[in-house]
Amino acid sequence: KQEVTQIPAALSVPEGENLVLNCSFTDSAIYNLQWFRQDPGKGLTSLLLIQSSQREQTSGRLNASLDKSSGRSTLYIAASQPGDSATYLCAASDSNYQLIWGAGTKLIIKP
Amino acid sequence: DGGITQSPKYLFRKEGQNVTLSCEQNLNHDAMYWYRQDPGQGLRLIYYSQIVNDFQKGDIAEGYSVSREKKESFPLTVTSAQKNPTAFYLCASSIDPAPYNEQFFGPGTRLTVL
Repeated sequence: KQEVTQIPAALSVPEGENLVLNCSFTDSAIYNLQWFRQDPGKGLTSLLLIQSSQREQTSGRLNASLDKSSGRSTLYIAASQPGDSATYLCAASDSNYQLIWGAGTKLIIKP
Repeated sequence: DGGITQSPKYLFRKEGQNVTLSCEQNLNHDAMYWYRQDPGQGLRLIYYSQIVNDFQKGDIAEGYSVSREKKESFPLTVTSAQKNPTAFYLCASSIDPAPYNEQFFGPGTRLTVL
């Protein structure tokens, strides 16, 4: 059964730094991998979706990569800002039409 | 202004009560989903619906019920059989249930058992 892991559970970095968030999955037979942002007490905002045939997707300061062979996806955030502080969740879409979720990485950007 | 709305934002339930959480979308999406989020855990799927008048159980359906009488609405009832219902509940939709489609989320309902 697919399992998705996000390590670390929390990360604190100074403003302006580039950073990488990690997402690992156990079964490479995924349809896509999605990255979401969640602010405290709020719903989820979709950031990037990478189809299984793609290697990466970019949106502004965000870049997500996908390596199915190693079971990894990374979310790269360039020039971090305090407004980037949130919990970042990844989810892999499996053959049963369901999303399998990681527990998230709580990111704090210190001014 | 298209999107997904959930109501209420906060809900309090007494022991033994059934409560219903509302989810409405005006995106004309066929598929809708209910997730439960607990602290420190990933989202878990409760129920999903691929089309009107059809729905399937997810991983943690026990103690919950749903209906899909209209395309735009997918209400979730938390019954008294759900022993630990305190959680954050998220509704989502996608254009169709194909696994390569993006899911869009509502703002969530926080349910607390008194």
